[in-house]
Amino acid sequence: QKEVEQNSGPLSVPEGAIASLNCTYSDRGSQSFFWYRQYSGKSPELIMFIYSNGDKEDGRFTAQLNKASQYVSLLIRDSQPSDSATYLCAVNRSGNTGKLIFGQGTTLQVKP
Amino acid sequence: DGGITQSPKYLFRKEGQNVTLSCEQNLNHDAMYWYRQDPGQGLRLIYYSQIVNDFQKGDIAEGYSVSREKKESFPLTVTSAQKNPTAFYLCASGRLGEQYFGPGTRLTVT
Repeated sequence: QKEVEQNSGPLSVPEGAIASLNCTYSDRGSQSFFWYRQYSGKSPELIMFIYSNGDKEDGRFTAQLNKASQYVSLLIRDSQPSDSATYLCAVNRSGNTGKLIFGQGTTLQVKP
Repeated sequence: DGGITQSPKYLFRKEGQNVTLSCEQNLNHDAMYWYRQDPGQGLRLIYYSQIVNDFQKGDIAEGYSVSREKKESFPLTVTSAQKNPTAFYLCASGRLGEQYFGPGTRLTVT
């Protein structure tokens, strides 16, 4: 079992729809969860982080965390073609080392 | 401007040569990290440093070496012992778990 699992996709949604990206993790001691966006050929960019169970909203992005189910998701409302990218889920390793474990990423395609 | 810089953007080397990748940050972050990314894959941790003059091996440290003599700088040397060095190398810095990435260096070894 991978420590952080994501469906590689591609996930294809029409412009204006809600894109839902999912991630599961295996370490129950993990406390911090991050979503990065990576455009093709570029480096990852931090777009959201969440530490507590529930939802956290930032503009068109909502991160959702359920520690009991070891599940974190990212919702993108009103998806735009510019949102087309690979989204990486990252989870901190327990023990507060600052080390992150990354999933393989989900490729999102937003079609005009 | 605050940020993380990596140089060069592209690097080509022959097999058997050591090569050093530069990473500098002016964000005043204590922690710095090196990752490699292969096509279609996530990021794998090579080395990390949480404080000056100290660093730890990550998941794939074999064939790599680092130093952390200054807070701002964390260079990575890819040695000839690294069997598959061609990859996209990413440096990050951060605190409280949040990590911010530099633009990366694409290394090609032939």
